[in-house]
Amino acid sequence: AQSVTQLDSHVSVSEGTPVLLRCNYSSSYSPSLFWYVQHPNKGLQLLLKYTSAATLVKGINGFEAEFKKSETSFHLTKPSAHMSDAAEYFCVVSGRDFGNEKLTFGTGTRLTIIP
Amino acid sequence: SAVISQKPSRDICQRGTSLTIQCQVDSQVTMMFWYRQQPGQSLTLIATANQGSEATYESGFVIDKFPISRPNLTFSTLTVSNMSPEDSSIYLCSVEEARANYGYTFGSGTRLTVV
Repeated sequence: AQSVTQLDSHVSVSEGTPVLLRCNYSSSYSPSLFWYVQHPNKGLQLLLKYTSAATLVKGINGFEAEFKKSETSFHLTKPSAHMSDAAEYFCVVSGRDFGNEKLTFGTGTRLTIIP
Repeated sequence: SAVISQKPSRDICQRGTSLTIQCQVDSQVTMMFWYRQQPGQSLTLIATANQGSEATYESGFVIDKFPISRPNLTFSTLTVSNMSPEDSSIYLCSVEEARANYGYTFGSGTRLTVV
């Protein structure tokens, strides 16, 4: 079975400062990992995806994430927060469960940007 | 990426009635997924729908309550049957992109309120 733990339910940072959203995963095989963003009353948008290629993955809007197998982590970072980054962020693991490919979502981290 | 048209975007329904949600994709896909997002919560997979076979339901979800159709490779429906206020949620469909490294694309969701 696979699982995802987002360590912070809510993160607040000042505009222009770095963002760190933490995610740990559990999987019995080499998983694919994703970060999705959900703006208020909007659909889910893919930020980035890790699929066993480069461990440092660059995504859209200046976000990146580093896959660390030894720590079973996939933390999301951005050097400088922008007001438009305020949203809910989901860490997601993909893997096969009894033959079917399925996604397991973390509980989400709400990112607030302080002007 | 694939474009998913999901409708209705929102509805208010009386308890005891049923609502059918439609999901149309602009390209052929093997598997389609249906999720539920309860208020303030993360996404939970309801079922996986393969064309030409019965949908596979996750633990806690049953076909009598959430019947799914998958008549072809671009279309699927999810019905929420005999609704109660506890069914008030956002329901989303999703497909896996054929292109590598693109992840999964989600519809914009159906916001259901049961009164």
